[in-house]
Amino acid sequence: DAGVIQSPRHEVTEMGQEVTLRCKPISGHDYLFWYRQTMMRGLELLIYFNNNVPIDDSGMPEDRFSAKMPNASFSTLKIQPSEPRDSAVYFCASRSFRTANYGYTFGSGTRLTVV
Amino acid sequence: GQQVMQIPQYQHVQEGEDFTTYCNSSTTLSNIQWYKQRPGGHPVFLIQLVKSGEVKKQKRLTFQFGEAKKNSSLHITATQTTDVGTYFCAVTAYSGAGSYQLTFGKGTKLSVIP
Repeated sequence: DAGVIQSPRHEVTEMGQEVTLRCKPISGHDYLFWYRQTMMRGLELLIYFNNNVPIDDSGMPEDRFSAKMPNASFSTLKIQPSEPRDSAVYFCASRSFRTANYGYTFGSGTRLTVV
Repeated sequence: GQQVMQIPQYQHVQEGEDFTTYCNSSTTLSNIQWYKQRPGGHPVFLIQLVKSGEVKKQKRLTFQFGEAKKNSSLHITATQTTDVGTYFCAVTAYSGAGSYQLTFGKGTKLSVIP
């Protein structure tokens, strides 16, 4: 298994531009999570899906952020318009609650810089 | 939501010395997970503890869950340069409306001096 795949690895964009981050979870995992990591706030949960349905988006900072999961193998996190304070590393993670492996598997992350 | 305090924030050790990081909660935990993140990398799951007083070992790593299930520790014996990274504890908490969230501590950043 290739693990959780995120793209792009790095993104530099200008303030006001739209940014789309992509994630492919591990096949068979029914939960997908989007986390954001910054020095100040650490790892924060933004939103998570169960069987492609958003369950909890209370961590999404504001309306500029949106996430979708159109099918079991793909999810996007969109920021529109982007702001410098959105600069962070965004991780996607997945897991299955049907197995004994309880840990989350994280992707390599997308390092977003908004200038 | 559920919060956990993790200490210390930073730890510098000489190679071969032991290292311990602690995770504390004000409420009883159902379980606790530990992750390691190498510099520039992503969090990698190490272990989950569920039972009161549980102790688990992975080579030089020893994980403990407190008797009251309010604290946990990760101990590394005889650190090596490959142990460098940030160690996070993470706890699951019910956040309402059928939602369970995995909340991470702020982590302990370990540096090993060769």
